[in-house]
This record gives sequence, C-alpha cells and structure tokens, in this order.
Amino acid sequence: DIQMTQSPSSLSASVGDRVTITCRASQRISSYLNWYQHIPGKAPKLLIFDASSLESGVPSRFSGSGSGTVFTLTISSLQSEDFANYFCQQSYSLPHTFGQGTKLEI
Amino acid sequence: QVQLVQSGAEVKKPGSSVKVSCKASGGTFSSYDISWVRQAPGQGLEWMGRMTPVSGRKNYAQKFQGRVTMTADRSTSIAYMEMSSLRSEDTAVYYCAREISSNWFDSWGQGTLVTVSS
Repeated sequence: DIQMTQSPSSLSASVGDRVTITCRASQRISSYLNWYQHIPGKAPKLLIFDASSLESGVPSRFSGSGSGTVFTLTISSLQSEDFANYFCQQSYSLPHTFGQGTKLEI
Repeated sequence: QVQLVQSGAEVKKPGSSVKVSCKASGGTFSSYDISWVRQAPGQGLEWMGRMTPVSGRKNYAQKFQGRVTMTADRSTSIAYMEMSSLRSEDTAVYYCAREISSNWFDSWGQGTLVTVSS
C-alpha cells in the first residue's frame, strides 16, 4: 500500500495568514492526489483533485501543487471558516490511502 | 450535485454484524462508484472498498476481505455496507462517498457512528 505522510499534524494560524500543508507519498503517484476539508460532525468536502484542480464552488484562496511524491495545499489568506481538518488522499493505486490529517486551528 | 444520506448510529455487540445504508438523491446513482471509508477515534481515514452499482463490480481493501459486503439497490438508489464479526476496533464513523473517475470523492455522506461494545 502507498503510505501518505502529511505535515504538520497541527498548525496554529490567524485570519489572513498564508498556510501550507505538505503531503508526501511513499512512491511516485504522478498527480493522483486529492485534498479535502473536514469539519468534525460534517461530511468531508473535496477541495482539490488531480493535485492542482480546484473543485467547483471552492474559493480561489485554496490551491494545490506538486507531482510525483511531494504535494502541497496552500490557503492564501485564511478566513475564519477555514479552521478545520485537512487531509490528502492518493488514488494512484488501490487501496486508496489518506494522510493522517492536519488540524488547522487559531 | 448528488447528496448522500446515511442511516443512523448503531451500537453492536462483539461478534455481531452491522449494515449501514447510504441513500443518493439529486444525481445519477448508478453511473459512479460508491466507496466506504471509516475513521476510528483519534485515527486517520481508512478506505474499505467500493462498488459500481450499475455493474456490480466490487473492490475491497485486503484488510476487510471476507468480513465486509457492499451492495446496492438501483431501484431506490441506496448503497449498503455490511460488516460481520464486529470487534471493538471496528468502533468508528463510517462514511459513504461517491467516487469520480475511480479517483476522487466529490460527495460524502454525513457519517454513521458504529460503536462495538459488550
């Protein structure tokens, strides 16, 4: 199975900050990497697919980059509603595997 | 955009089975894969497997082979995930999700908490 290592596991930031979350794959996965936002008690929400494609309806302050084994999710200017958990997921091969998540908090 | 609505929380005894449902509305049910993902307390997300309602094709994660069965009723647009021989480590929130292009999950259910306790 492909292991996904996400960092940091938690991150403290303020409204207006620029933050970056990194996801590393244990082997090359081309651009088969997706990012989600998860607020506890709610359904996870797709933010970015195929490493850098913004899902419809997601604010443009979210962006993704990378290919191969290293990927990043960047939020350019944090808003209050962005404080949540974020996780990556590889779809290069089955089983789909996820990063352990990053808790973004004030 | 399809909406996925899951059945309510369950409390089960060790060794028993649970069946969680996932009803799709607002979109085409049969054309996509439905995956099941779980999150145990304090743990990350774990993909359990998926099925394609239109063809009946199934892929299970090796860890769950033989213990999980995924089915779907196309007439009602409901997908099911049944897990047998439950143990305490199966206590988790279980999510269904629509999988696009065998790749990303664009719609998720709200989650179903399954608690396994004697």
